[in-house]
Amino acid sequence: QKEVEQDPGPLSVPEGAIVSLNCTYSNSAFQYFMWYRQYSRKGPELLMYTYSSGNKEDGRFTAQVDKSSKYISLFIRDSQPSDSATYLCAMRVTSGTYKYIFGTGTRLKVLA
Amino acid sequence: DAGITQSPRHKVTETGTPVTLRCHQTENHRYMYWYRQDPGHGLRLIHYSYGVKDTDKGEVSDGYSVSRSKTEDFLLTLESATSSQTSVYFCAISETGANTDTQYFGPGTRLTVL
Repeated sequence: QKEVEQDPGPLSVPEGAIVSLNCTYSNSAFQYFMWYRQYSRKGPELLMYTYSSGNKEDGRFTAQVDKSSKYISLFIRDSQPSDSATYLCAMRVTSGTYKYIFGTGTRLKVLA
Repeated sequence: DAGITQSPRHKVTETGTPVTLRCHQTENHRYMYWYRQDPGHGLRLIHYSYGVKDTDKGEVSDGYSVSRSKTEDFLLTLESATSSQTSVYFCAISETGANTDTQYFGPGTRLTVL
């Protein structure tokens, strides 16, 4: 079993829809949680970063962490065709190492 | 964009030849990483560095070595390339602190081993 699981998609939604992307994990020591967006043939770019539990909002993006369920989510409101990309979750433990564990990524297509 | 460059951007080589990929940063970040990205596997850590001459293995380190003699440069070497090492390789840098934990990625190197 992988430490971080992510549905690969593809996920297709109409423009303007609310998108929910999710990751589950097995290591309860993870404390830092991140979401990256990756366009085709480009490097990943950081979208959101959350420490421990709770919500964080940035414009149309909201990241949620539920440590009791070992589940993190990224919500995209009013989705746009420009949001079409692969979204990767990543996480790491608090101390002793600075290794990040990534999900496999979910491919999102927003249809105009 | 974070100042990270990778060279070469594309490379085709033959099985058994040595290959070195270079990552260069202008951000003076302490941590540097090499990942490979393959369909169905996502990003997997090969090696990372937490300072000059300080490196550690990741989950897929077999067949790879790294060196960091300067803060700004992190080299990844495939001692004897194999077809299974055909992949896209990403370098990343990060700087952690009390209120930040961010990792920035380079543009990637597409390596094909024939």
